[in-house]
Amino acid sequence: SQTIHQWPATLVQPVGSPLSLECTVEGTSNPNLYWYRQAAGRGLQLLFYSVGIGQISSEVPQNLSASRPQDRQFILSSKKLLLSDSGFYLCAWGAGVIGGEQFFGPGTRLTVL
Amino acid sequence: LAKTTQPISMDSYEGQEVNITCSHNNIATNDYITWYQQFPSQGPRFIIQGYKTKVTNEVASLFIPADRKSSTLSLPRVSLSDTAVYYCLVGDNRGNNYQLIWGAGTKLIIKP
Repeated sequence: SQTIHQWPATLVQPVGSPLSLECTVEGTSNPNLYWYRQAAGRGLQLLFYSVGIGQISSEVPQNLSASRPQDRQFILSSKKLLLSDSGFYLCAWGAGVIGGEQFFGPGTRLTVL
Repeated sequence: LAKTTQPISMDSYEGQEVNITCSHNNIATNDYITWYQQFPSQGPRFIIQGYKTKVTNEVASLFIPADRKSSTLSLPRVSLSDTAVYYCLVGDNRGNNYQLIWGAGTKLIIKP
């Protein structure tokens, strides 16, 4: 069966510090991968998606970037965090077309102070 | 660009049928409509997806009228454990990048 891992589960970082969140998927090949952010009490905002290694589509221009160095690995990064980067970061994978059924990871709660 | 609108919150009682409607007036021709359920501090979980008319699975039904400008998620005989936030999602592939447009979510509270 397929599983998706995210780490860390929680993270507290000072403003201006770098960020690296990692997501890995097991049990499937060539998945579509997604990074979302969810502010407290709000809906989901799609940040990036990827249909293959090295292929990244950005939905929202900001100080975040994403990379997919391996088929089942998706990394979200920032060189300098802002207070507004605080939120719940979710990674998801899906098969088939973009927008099909997505399976979400447990999420990372990021607080920028 | 597609946009989705859904009620902020709804209340119901155990054993009742609950219908949550999402409007997506500007949905593109090839876009599907998907609904997810989310519990606090967890990632959303897929409920159902459809393109037109009616789709039913073991947990819900999805009704989509012919003009596809709205969709209704129907939860039969809800229980306390159905208390959650429900999101509708539509895709938009008319720009350079395919976009996924999530609604703001409907907080459903089930009372005993």
